[in-house]
Amino acid sequence: DAGITQSPRHKVTETGTPVTLRCHQTENHRYMYWYRQDPGHGLRLIHYSYVVKDTDKGEVSDGYSVSRSKTEDFLLTLESATSSQTSVYFCAISESVGTGWGNIQYFGAGTRLSVL
Amino acid sequence: KNEVEQSPQNLTAQEGEFITINCSYSVGISALHWLQQHPGGGIVSLFMLSSGKKKHGRLIATINIQEKHSSLHITASHPRDSAVYICAVSMYSGGGADGLTFGKGTHLIIQP
Repeated sequence: DAGITQSPRHKVTETGTPVTLRCHQTENHRYMYWYRQDPGHGLRLIHYSYVVKDTDKGEVSDGYSVSRSKTEDFLLTLESATSSQTSVYFCAISESVGTGWGNIQYFGAGTRLSVL
Repeated sequence: KNEVEQSPQNLTAQEGEFITINCSYSVGISALHWLQQHPGGGIVSLFMLSSGKKKHGRLIATINIQEKHSSLHITASHPRDSAVYICAVSMYSGGGADGLTFGKGTHLIIQP
């Protein structure tokens, strides 16, 4: 998984409780992303970070916050979990390959979250 | 917002067949990605391309920028190729690379 560790790998929680998912990388890549994957929707971007302490919203950011205090760690927080946030969450990292190009993304193994 | 459409959604074929998965997108991009996800498994990047054609083993990816269309081909398919294949596009912004926009995936089953 290209030096990417997601924790926990599985979590069951109750509606209304706070949940934090962690993504840790050892590749020193600049960019980090959080996605969620749902049947019928595929993968969708939640939040991303260009650099430490600089984050931006993605397509489905409502109900989520993120923090990145160190290059290697990107945290995703559900302040008050809802059943609609039951999903598989993937972290990804990338490093720019040059102006005007996309960049290959490397994905973590995913965290399966169930909100009851 | 870029719309990414894949076809077919599901594909079952016999071992040895030539496989084609198609992807189209609505807005100009900086690059197109093909990803592979095995059942219960992680996601692996197969190709990133912005023009022409790339080949890796039995996998070939092509892109036509003018038509906003890409294809992923698998030659001499094998049961281990059974997976979900996902097309995604990236839009480059001045500050760096934004996240990917994904198609819903093509579920491929190769029967022995």
